[in-house]
Amino acid sequence: DAGVIQSPRHEVTEMGQEVTLRCKPISGHDYLFWYRQTMMRGLELLIYFNNNVPIDDSGMPEDRFSAKMPNASFSTLKIQPSEPRDSAVYFCASSLKLGYGYTFGSGTRLTVV
Amino acid sequence: RKEVEQDPGPFNVPEGATVAFNCTYSNSASQSFFWYRQDCRKEPKLLMSVYSSGNEDGRFTAQLNRASQYISLLIRDSKLSDSATYLCVSLDSSYKLIFGSGTRLLVRP
Repeated sequence: DAGVIQSPRHEVTEMGQEVTLRCKPISGHDYLFWYRQTMMRGLELLIYFNNNVPIDDSGMPEDRFSAKMPNASFSTLKIQPSEPRDSAVYFCASSLKLGYGYTFGSGTRLTVV
Repeated sequence: RKEVEQDPGPFNVPEGATVAFNCTYSNSASQSFFWYRQDCRKEPKLLMSVYSSGNEDGRFTAQLNRASQYISLLIRDSKLSDSATYLCVSLDSSYKLIFGSGTRLLVRP
């Protein structure tokens, strides 16, 4: 298996622009998670899905952030409009079971200037 | 106060040394605990789970003390390749993983 695949690896965008991050989970994994990592706050859970349904989005910072999972093999995290404070590494992870055996993707390093 | 707290380090040790990290958690309802390893500019990877009875995986030993609400990781005979950030993680009552900010380890030749 290729693991969790995220794209792009790096994204540099101007403040106010829309940013879309993409994730392909491991086939057969029912859970998909979006995390954000910064020096100040560490790794934070933004949202997670079970069988393509959003279960907990309490970590989503504000309405500028939205996430979708239209099918079992694809998810997006969108930021519109982006702000410099959104600069971080965004990780997608998937697992068979909640809380155990998470596999993380390589992350998307987002810089908003 | 963060739910999971760790000394950020860095811990700078020579090859062959034994090094220990501690981590404290504030939520007594936390169900399970893990250590993840994260190399520079890479994704976190599960290193080992932590059990109350303690568990060992080669040179690595993890221990959980529920009474004092701390978790430890001991690395024996440190290798250069052990240089990384070690993340202490708890599983809360909602089955969400809560990550500490990590302890950075540098193993020097």
